Amino acid sequence: TQLLEQSPQFLSIQEGENLTVYCNSSSVFSSLQWYRQEPGEGPVLLVTVVTGGEVKKLKRLTFQFGDARKDSSLHITAAQPGDTGLYLCAGDRGSTLGRLYFGRGTQLTVWP
Amino acid sequence: GAGVSQTPSNKVTEKGKYVELRCDPISGHTALYWYRQSLGQGPEFLIYFQGTGAADDSGLPNDRFFAVRPEGSVSTLKIQRTERGDSAVYLCASSSGDTPNTEAFFGQGTRLTVV
Repeated sequence: TQLLEQSPQFLSIQEGENLTVYCNSSSVFSSLQWYRQEPGEGPVLLVTVVTGGEVKKLKRLTFQFGDARKDSSLHITAAQPGDTGLYLCAGDRGSTLGRLYFGRGTQLTVWP
Repeated sequence: GAGVSQTPSNKVTEKGKYVELRCDPISGHTALYWYRQSLGQGPEFLIYFQGTGAADDSGLPNDRFFAVRPEGSVSTLKIQRTERGDSAVYLCASSSGDTPNTEAFFGQGTRLTVV
């Protein structure tokens, strides 16, 4: 059983569309991280959110941490083919330093 | 190199054999993590080292799995009597690891296939 549920699992959209990926849990996390993973590579950190209700923006990507620190979302505006990849959310429960609980990931494909 | 290096990139082994997977963390990083990523899944925690000691090995699935980090740098994940269910990508990550939310950097992984 995954501690973090990500949805949707797959997303296929046209260039220029907007999209939102969700990461939900019944557990509270001290922080939530979003990663992007390319085939044959390890995950690369995009952002860490720490405070409930926090919103962070990274160019066309907007990340939000829920008020109760149990859920998060990633919104991409005007998606581009270069955004294609596996997006993973990961939570830190604050027990073991740096131990992360990952969701299953959202495979995003953006068509030109 | 500047990043986390894992060798080999790919390993095919027969069921029942012993394998070793190596991780070279970023120089100076005291924290080192092993994760396992099965097909269609997110990475799953295996073990965490702080320096030479395993601070949390609760993610190791059974006693066929063992990891060491004798000098506080390179780590080796050892799997005995491999089973087909062990097939996955094994990821290593390191961080300076002395405060919460310190960024961990992942290697490219070792793809293990047990036939």
